Amino acid sequence: ETGVTQTPRHLVMGMTNKKSLKCEQHLGHNAMYWYKQSAKKPLELMFVYNFKEQTENNSVPSRFSPECPNSSHLFLHLHTLQPEDSALYLCASSQELDREQYFGPGTRLTVT
Amino acid sequence: QKEVEQNSGPLSVPEGAIASLNCTYSDRGSQSFFWYRQYSGKSPELIMSIYSNGDKEDGRFTAQLNKASQYVSLLIRDSQPSDSATYLCAVNQAGTALIFGKGTTLSVSS
Repeated sequence: ETGVTQTPRHLVMGMTNKKSLKCEQHLGHNAMYWYKQSAKKPLELMFVYNFKEQTENNSVPSRFSPECPNSSHLFLHLHTLQPEDSALYLCASSQELDREQYFGPGTRLTVT
Repeated sequence: QKEVEQNSGPLSVPEGAIASLNCTYSDRGSQSFFWYRQYSGKSPELIMSIYSNGDKEDGRFTAQLNKASQYVSLLIRDSQPSDSATYLCAVNQAGTALIFGKGTTLSVSS
């Protein structure tokens, strides 16, 4: 266990559904991240939050909407997704932006 | 555009051999370097960090850093089939998130 939890671990949703992914870190870290990893592909950084403020949005489609209510929690709200959005969504946290990151177990998302 | 480059592999080694994984980076200002291991379908796990030139050993793992040549490597001694995974190199940039390489897939055959 890394101290980063993600729920749900698996999610199947239709293209018209709205769902949210949740990430919580128990490490007292200040920075949190969302990554997407499609099958056998590299990590793709989606969003970065530092002290609850978004610092990076790497050209992510608006159907993905992040929310960071405090330094311990991070959400990814999903709506009208496409089948190509099916992937492993990973949350990570770090003490500071340029420090080592610790990953949660991920949410395996399937869009039908 | 800051970059971290890794050979995608697969790198195949027999059980008991030394596996050598390499990574180059473009930002001369980088100060911290990390190796992660990712098993198929799982999340990346931090296995080594190195901050100064030279070697750092932890069990069967040795990280090597050469800032002048801008490369960092990971040696795995006495490779085991359980070491079969994708190894990610990550490099810091001051004030921004780590840059991850695309990873090298290692296959250890018994």
